[in-house]
Amino acid sequence: GNSVTQMEGPVTLSEEAFLTINCTYTATGYPSLFWYVQYPGEGLQLLLKATKADDKGSNKGFEATYRKETTSFHLEKGSVQVSDSAVYFCALSDRAGTNAGKSTFGDGTTLTVKP
Amino acid sequence: DTGVSQDPRHKITKRGQNVTFRCDPISEHNRLYWYRQTLGQGPEFLTYFQNEAQLEKSRLLSDRFSAERPKGSFSTLEIQRTEQGDSAMYLCASTDSGGRPYNEQFFGPGTRLTVL
Repeated sequence: GNSVTQMEGPVTLSEEAFLTINCTYTATGYPSLFWYVQYPGEGLQLLLKATKADDKGSNKGFEATYRKETTSFHLEKGSVQVSDSAVYFCALSDRAGTNAGKSTFGDGTTLTVKP
Repeated sequence: DTGVSQDPRHKITKRGQNVTFRCDPISEHNRLYWYRQTLGQGPEFLTYFQNEAQLEKSRLLSDRFSAERPKGSFSTLEIQRTEQGDSAMYLCASTDSGGRPYNEQFFGPGTRLTVL
């Protein structure tokens, strides 16, 4: 079956520091990959996505590259802000067939950015 | 259409009571998913529908849980004889399976259930 393993948190950084949150996956097929963000008291929001090998997803200064050879999709940001404090979830979904769209999530990584 | 909506946002109930949650997906989306999220964990898949057909149920979905999507639009998730272990956030998501490469899911705000 499919599974996602995320870097354990929590992660605490100072403002303007570089962020990396590691994510690796196991999939029976060729999945699409996602990063979701959950701010305190809110629902899941899609942060970025990639559908095939070497694709780079990017949004709001965050980036992640689909690495098929290492089955990884690490999240990076060059300079974090206090407003980036949230829980980040790596996820995958099957791209085709009856399970297309059904997502498997990692356990989340809590990021706290201090001024 | 403003996105996926869920009702209620919060539900507190006593052990043994039945509860029902509703999800309204994005109107043109034919697939609807239910997930459960407990504290410190990622969402776990429960079940999903394509139109009105329930295509898969997770082993997490015990006999006390039932989900419906009678007209292929909104869906309900009912939990009978609630237990304290049912306390969690119940998330609904929808997507359009019509050939889009990402099959991106759009999530609702969730219903937080507390069983006393």
